[in-house]
Order: sequence, then structure tokens, then C-alpha cells
Amino acid sequence: DVKVTQSSRYLVKRTGEKVFLECVQDMDHENMFWYRQDPGLGLRLIYFSYDVKMKEKGDIPEGYSVSREKKERFSLILESASTNQTSMYLCASTFSGISTGGYTFGSGTRLTVV
Amino acid sequence: AQSVSQHNHHVILSEAASLELGCNYSYGGTVNLFWYVQYPGQHLQLLLKYFSGDPLVKGIKGFEAEFIKSKFSFNLRKPSVQWSDTAEYFCAVNAPQAAGNKLTFGGGTRVLVKP
Repeated sequence: DVKVTQSSRYLVKRTGEKVFLECVQDMDHENMFWYRQDPGLGLRLIYFSYDVKMKEKGDIPEGYSVSREKKERFSLILESASTNQTSMYLCASTFSGISTGGYTFGSGTRLTVV
Repeated sequence: AQSVSQHNHHVILSEAASLELGCNYSYGGTVNLFWYVQYPGQHLQLLLKYFSGDPLVKGIKGFEAEFIKSKFSFNLRKPSVQWSDTAEYFCAVNAPQAAGNKLTFGGGTRVLVKP
């Protein structure tokens, strides 16, 4: 089974802190994604990457950056955390040929910024 | 850019009732369509997907969805729900020609099935 592992299930950080959310997948997927999930808003795409060192902005990239130095790892960085970044963060991955199936999601990281 | 709207935010129904969740998307080109489910405390799981062919798609756990191209819709149905179907359901669309295969999600529908 494909596995997408997010390093933390729950995280509490202070306003202004630099926050790193890590995601690792073990199926050699080319594409990786970071979403945030908020009630009533569904999942909104923050950033995605379709290859090592490649990154593309999603729909809500402001206040975030990403890093993909290795194929299996995709990191989301909050440069200076703010309270409006309190949310559930979901990482996902897929092969570049999506016809083989849908995305595989991690269990999520619930981040609270105080 | 594509967008997805789900008509209901919350649905409450009794066991054995029929369920239909609406999903409409806006995108002029070819799309792939998905329904995902998130059970309480669990990660998102794929329920079913449509790429091409028969517009009536059957998924896991007795769910099905119908793609109506003229209405830009992909509604999810289940004839008789169970308490275990309590979950949040997300419709999603992907434009296969776009780089990165990104999925655009609807706002989700929370379904509560009363025993």
C-alpha cells in the first residue's frame, strides 16, 4: 500500500515562529501536494510539486513556501506563523499519470497558532 | 481555472434513507472527476472516479455517481445509507492536461446518519 506520512499529527506554535511540516511518501510518486482543510471551505491547494526542486503555487500560497530536495519528501514552511494559519494541513501524492487512480493522502497535521 | 461547488454543507438522514449529494464544476475542457470520503478521525479515501466511458460510475461501499456533461455535474448517490456512512464527502475535479495533476475540491458535505 502507498503510504504518505506526515511527521506530526498535532502541532502548537506561537505567532511569528517558523514552522516546518514534513511529508514523506514511499511509492516513488512524481507529484506531491499540500492542502489546507477548513470547515466549509473544503481543501484548498497551497503548493504542489511535479518533480524534485520543482514547485508551483496553488490557490492560496501567501505566507507559505515549500521545499522538495528529494523525490519522496515535500516540506511546507510557514515563514512567520500567524493565527489565520491555524488549520488542518494535508499532504498528498500521485503518479504523473493520474489515470491509474486518485491521490493518496496523509493523515494530516492539525496546526494551532497561538 | 476550475472550480467545484457542493450544494449542501450538512445533510442529516436516517438509516435506510437514500442519499444524493450534488456537485457541479466549472471548467470548459476535459475533466476527471472524483469523490472522496473522510470518516471521523481518518484520512481522505477515494470513493470513486470518472475518467471516460460509462457516465454512471460505481464505487466502493455501494456508492455510485453520474456524470452529466451538459449540466457539469457529478452527483453522488447511495440507495440506502448506514450509520457507518457518517462522514464528510468531497467532490473534486482535475484537468488532465494541466501540469502536476492538481485536484480542485469542493467545500465538502458533512453527512450524519442517525441510527
